[in-house]
Amino acid sequence: EADIYQTPRYLVIGTGKKITLECSQTMGHDKMYWYQQDPGMELHLIHYSYGVNSTEKGDLSSESTVSRIRTEHFPLTLESARPSHTSQYLCASTPGRYGTDTQYFGPGTRLTVL
Amino acid sequence: GNSVTQMEGPVTLSEEAFLTINCTYTATGYPSLFWYVQYPGEGLQLLLKATKADDKGSNKGFEATYRKETTSFHLEKGSVQVSDSAVYFCALSDPWSGGGADGLTFGKGTHLIIQP
Repeated sequence: EADIYQTPRYLVIGTGKKITLECSQTMGHDKMYWYQQDPGMELHLIHYSYGVNSTEKGDLSSESTVSRIRTEHFPLTLESARPSHTSQYLCASTPGRYGTDTQYFGPGTRLTVL
Repeated sequence: GNSVTQMEGPVTLSEEAFLTINCTYTATGYPSLFWYVQYPGEGLQLLLKATKADDKGSNKGFEATYRKETTSFHLEKGSVQVSDSAVYFCALSDPWSGGGADGLTFGKGTHLIIQP
């Protein structure tokens, strides 16, 4: 059973607000990821991290930023939310450095920006 | 670059029917292949995986075989149940591609609906 948590599960917020989506895992995994899932279900990698103090941008350009100060914590921040940021955000982690490793996903945060 | 193509849904079947969801991929290196399932309101869960050619992944009655010659990883189940209703994603991981971002490359997802 994977232990990866995301809060909040649902967030409705007005344009221009700063928001932080939280993601934590208790498995000691080095690699962590953020995916954006559009209403048509398609998933796109927006950020990833190999470990503490490592952050990289993914395939899909995003205005969000991430940080990795602790192994277990990988928050995503939007400085000024816009309606185009409305989406589901999924956090994931994996134990090792190999592509064969399973990625474990959190339950997601569904963000709506009005 | 890498890509995954899977059949679009929704796919609607009756209970106990045979299921096939097609998935083909393009990759520059030696990818691992995955099927993930997403139930309503939840994140993704790994259903099965295969890490090299001719490997067969299986779980909960589902199976898929890694076919390098046809670049395919089709998902099958002999007798589906109502509880199998969900969205299914085919994905690949290709860390040896030598460039670009890490992480999974997903297909667009197939919504499966099983009717009693």
